[in-house]
Amino acid sequence: AQSVTQPDIHITVSEGASLELRCNYSYGATPYLFWYVQSPGQGLQLLLKYFSGDTLVQGIKGFEAEFKRSQSSFNLRKPSVHWSDAAEYFCAVGPDNYGQNFVFGPGTRLSVLP
Amino acid sequence: EADIYQTPRYLVIGTGKKITLECSQTMGHDKMYWYQQDPGMELHLIHYSYGVNSTEKGDLSSESTVSRIRTEHFPLTLESARPSHTSQYLCASSDPTRLLGVLFFGPGTRLTVL
Repeated sequence: AQSVTQPDIHITVSEGASLELRCNYSYGATPYLFWYVQSPGQGLQLLLKYFSGDTLVQGIKGFEAEFKRSQSSFNLRKPSVHWSDAAEYFCAVGPDNYGQNFVFGPGTRLSVLP
Repeated sequence: EADIYQTPRYLVIGTGKKITLECSQTMGHDKMYWYQQDPGMELHLIHYSYGVNSTEKGDLSSESTVSRIRTEHFPLTLESARPSHTSQYLCASSDPTRLLGVLFFGPGTRLTVL
């Protein structure tokens, strides 16, 4: 069965510092991979996705992620964090065995220090 | 801009009451979902629908029920609320024929059962 782990429950960085959020997955084939962001009191918003091709994908708000098949990872990065990036970040993988639904990780909460 | 709405945003209710959480989308998406979200936990799929008159149970067993009489509307009902139902409920929709795996989320309903 598919699964997603996000090893860091909570990360704190200073504004302007670089950021890397980790995502590891278990999947039987080449997965579709996603990062979503959830701001307080809001639903989830898609940051970026990987389906195939170039393993480095660019997303909104200056985020990027790199698919590494050998490490079963899809880490999210940003070179310089802004205070508005404070949120919860979810990695997702799929589709499932029925080709329909996707599995979300437990999320990483990002705090940004001024 | 995603157009998916959930009402109410917050609900505090006593044990044994019947409640309906509303979800509507104006994007014409055939597929809709309900996820349950608890702090520090992955999102759990509790119901989904492929289209009108289609409803399926998700990965997480739930005492709730759903209906899909119209494409744009996907309400979730709890016949008798219990404290164990306290959680955040997220509604989402997608168009798998165009953007497989890309979900558009509503802002969520935070339910507290006393």
